[in-house]
Amino acid sequence: GAGVSQSPSNKVTEKGKDVELRCDPISGHTALYWYRQSLGQGLEFLIYFQGNSAPDKSGLPSDRFSAERTGGSVSTLTIQRTQQEDSAVYLCASSQDRGTGELFFGEGSRLTVL
Amino acid sequence: SQQGEEDPQALSIQEGENATMNCSYKTSINNLQWYRQNSGRGLVHLILIRSNEREKHSGRLRVTLDTSKKSSSLLITASRAADTASYFCATGDTGRRALTFGSGTRLQVQP
Repeated sequence: GAGVSQSPSNKVTEKGKDVELRCDPISGHTALYWYRQSLGQGLEFLIYFQGNSAPDKSGLPSDRFSAERTGGSVSTLTIQRTQQEDSAVYLCASSQDRGTGELFFGEGSRLTVL
Repeated sequence: SQQGEEDPQALSIQEGENATMNCSYKTSINNLQWYRQNSGRGLVHLILIRSNEREKHSGRLRVTLDTSKKSSSLLITASRAADTASYFCATGDTGRRALTFGSGTRLQVQP
């Protein structure tokens, strides 16, 4: 597709369940980012993938969060044993540049943990 | 705390007026970017200014960067109701690969 695609767009889950969020970046973009945005707040960095380099996981809030990127393209963010404080919009972005160039964002996955 | 902090947090103006938003940051940067977010949507890139640039224009947008004060401003001239959105600055730090975003300025343009 022409843009960054995220799924699901909305996810409601019960506390303690695991969830998987998917991101399909723009074809050819080597950099992929996950951010989290709580209601009315700014973006919190979670994780960054660049080509075949080891990902920068410094923003993951706990070991319940993990992410992988298969074949340098699609990425999955997994949250295990979800908590209510995990409720937020999870935004994925991709970039052509090696590092801090322009980011192209998806529409986000809104996660609600009951 | 967030690297980029926008000021003001919220701004309400009339159509046709200019809107100015400010951003302060703490570390050395490669570049500073401004993004726009409509309610419930993803972010859209507006403009990028490099650390060796002082001013940049794009249409009705004007961005300035003062690296000595570690600050930037975004000016939207002749605002329109369609400019209503949240605006975020993001810094590309020299020591980090991922952009760091501020908490944003919510702009409301009254028709």
